[in-house]
Amino acid sequence: GAVVSQHPSWVICKSGTSVKIECRSLDFQATTMFWYRQFPKQSLMLMATSNEGSKATYEQGVEKDKFLINHASLTLSTLTVTSAHPEDSSFYICSAVPYYEAFFGQGTRLTVV
Amino acid sequence: AQSVTQLDSQVPVFEEAPVELRCNYSSSVSVYLFWYVQYPNQGLQLLLKYLSGSTLVESINGFEAEFNKSQTSFHLRKPSVHISDTAEYFCAVSDSSGGSNYKLTFGKGTLLTVNP
Repeated sequence: GAVVSQHPSWVICKSGTSVKIECRSLDFQATTMFWYRQFPKQSLMLMATSNEGSKATYEQGVEKDKFLINHASLTLSTLTVTSAHPEDSSFYICSAVPYYEAFFGQGTRLTVV
Repeated sequence: AQSVTQLDSQVPVFEEAPVELRCNYSSSVSVYLFWYVQYPNQGLQLLLKYLSGSTLVESINGFEAEFNKSQTSFHLRKPSVHISDTAEYFCAVSDSSGGSNYKLTFGKGTLLTVNP
């Protein structure tokens, strides 16, 4: 199957700083990628749809200025958590759908201290 | 719009016992159906999928799921579980026509705990 690589797998940052998470499709081109957030013992919450070459589409209630998404190439989407606060601590997961089946990155555990 | 209901948030079973994880969905369009498994601090791995054809689909590690259109269900079963099957299981659907770029709608997940 297709491979989606997400980096870093975990990161600790200080409150007020920004953190960038990368999501790469290794063996296929992804015009669309999805970013999810997962709280402990909960399901995945879709944050936004990342579209190559255009602005991301954010789900209701997700702050677009807080969670910056850039999809500059067909194999890379990035999520930047700006001015991070402890409440942004969570598990972030990206996915891509080359045909009709979604493939997921390994996830990024973000801890803001 | 679609929605997915996983009726059991937690399912504890003993090793070698059978298990069924229930999933029901609601959709105004035709859907593709998926089961994903998630181990702690990891992403999701596809367990099995229903796209079309035979309503019974199987995975390589002994799980199976049956698509029941009349009951809008896609329950996951395994006749004999192992300790290593302990994980969170998510049922998901997407619009089979490609609407929303096959965006997935997830259930809330079922934590399967296999005890010795």
